[in-house]
Amino acid sequence: QVQLVQSGAEVKKPGASVKVSCKASGYTFSSYAIHWVRQAPGQRLEWMGWINADNSNTVYSQKFQGRVTITRDTSASVDYMYLSSLTSEDTAVYYCARSRYSNGWTDFDHWGQGTPLIVSS
Amino acid sequence: DIQMTQSPSTLSASVGDRVTITCRASQSISSWLAWYQQKPGKAPKLLIYKASSLESGVPSRFSGSGSGTEFTLTISSLQPDDFATYYCQQYNTYLTFGGGTKVEIK
Repeated sequence: QVQLVQSGAEVKKPGASVKVSCKASGYTFSSYAIHWVRQAPGQRLEWMGWINADNSNTVYSQKFQGRVTITRDTSASVDYMYLSSLTSEDTAVYYCARSRYSNGWTDFDHWGQGTPLIVSS
Repeated sequence: DIQMTQSPSTLSASVGDRVTITCRASQSISSWLAWYQQKPGKAPKLLIYKASSLESGVPSRFSGSGSGTEFTLTISSLQPDDFATYYCQQYNTYLTFGGGTKVEIK
């Protein structure tokens, strides 16, 4: 069955960076895009960006442009989301989610379990 | 950015009730809308995509309708497992989510 397994919880200081991984299994990794979505405590879901399955091109939300980088290791079936210059406003649960297709804007049919990030001095 | 507005933000209902949640887009998104269910501490779960298509494995008591700027999610007969928060998501242009509707026990 399709599974997305994310790396564990993180605690970072303001100004630091974080890298979250998302390991896929149970499907052809190179056939589906992966998106990253976050949810701050009590807040709505917020889309951050995605990586194209066909050519590993990326598209980022303007809000995170310059601070977020999404990469793919096809040989290991793992995607990574790197977020820099952290502030307390980045405290949230970070999810990877599988797109219905290899690229384009779509819904998400499978999600990782979430990676909590706390940013605190 | 396309803004998504859900109503109500909280809904109190009883088992067996028919429940309707509304989602409005700030501009037309055709039928590029999905609905998710989220329980505390868990990832969202896809229920409906392309406004009215039921995701595989989702009970048929869930249904979606609408196009353009106005959409609804209906639960025909609320079950104990349905008490959760529901989010809409547009994917016409970039991706944005609604603010959520919490379905509580009355």
